[in-house]
Amino acid sequence: DTAVSQTPKYLVTQMGNDKSIKCEQNLGHDTMYWYKQDSKKFLKIMFSYNNKELIINETVPNRFSPKSPDKAHLNLHINSLELGDSAVYFCASSPRTGGGQPQHFGDGTRLSIL
Amino acid sequence: GESVGLHLPTLSVQEGDNSIINCAYSNSASDYFIWYKQESGKGPQFIIDIRSNMDKRQGQRVTVLLNKTVKHLSLQIAATQPGDSAVYFCAENTGGAGSYQLTFGKGTKLSVIP
Repeated sequence: DTAVSQTPKYLVTQMGNDKSIKCEQNLGHDTMYWYKQDSKKFLKIMFSYNNKELIINETVPNRFSPKSPDKAHLNLHINSLELGDSAVYFCASSPRTGGGQPQHFGDGTRLSIL
Repeated sequence: GESVGLHLPTLSVQEGDNSIINCAYSNSASDYFIWYKQESGKGPQFIIDIRSNMDKRQGQRVTVLLNKTVKHLSLQIAATQPGDSAVYFCAENTGGAGSYQLTFGKGTKLSVIP
């Protein structure tokens, strides 16, 4: 009974393709996030959604489009993939937008662009 | 345990010894701090958190110390075990009052020598 689950775990694709990563949480949390972790292990927030509404959108190319069909799901669609998109992408969730509660992370999707 | 250059700083400790991992945070207005543990191929896992109105908090085998004067956070692990080997991240809530945006530090790799 995984709390935050992402699919796929590995994604290998060609430059220029479009791909999606799915995320689901069964914790009943209101807020979900996408992070990017680069090869140096640096973790950076990309997006945050609260009850299907976008609340954080960091400086991310608009080739990246998050979609939240309901508060338990936050998917990430990436158009026209580039070499620099290679990274591990983590989904996370937390009970609410206000600070004071830890975020719970999935195990990541390793995206490799050929 | 602060990041220098291109490589993660590494802390090597003998099994059974205590470990101290340090973190310098950036925002004096940050009100909430978390330590995460990331094992290879996994997502960050919550260890312990602390609010800015505290300077110490203890968990099972772990203690977090917060020094707001010098913007410093540390994680102490007692009787370090091989299973503690991982990359450790501090994170601060830089979102401001009523908001929640975690900014992660650069990570420290802990290696436990059996």
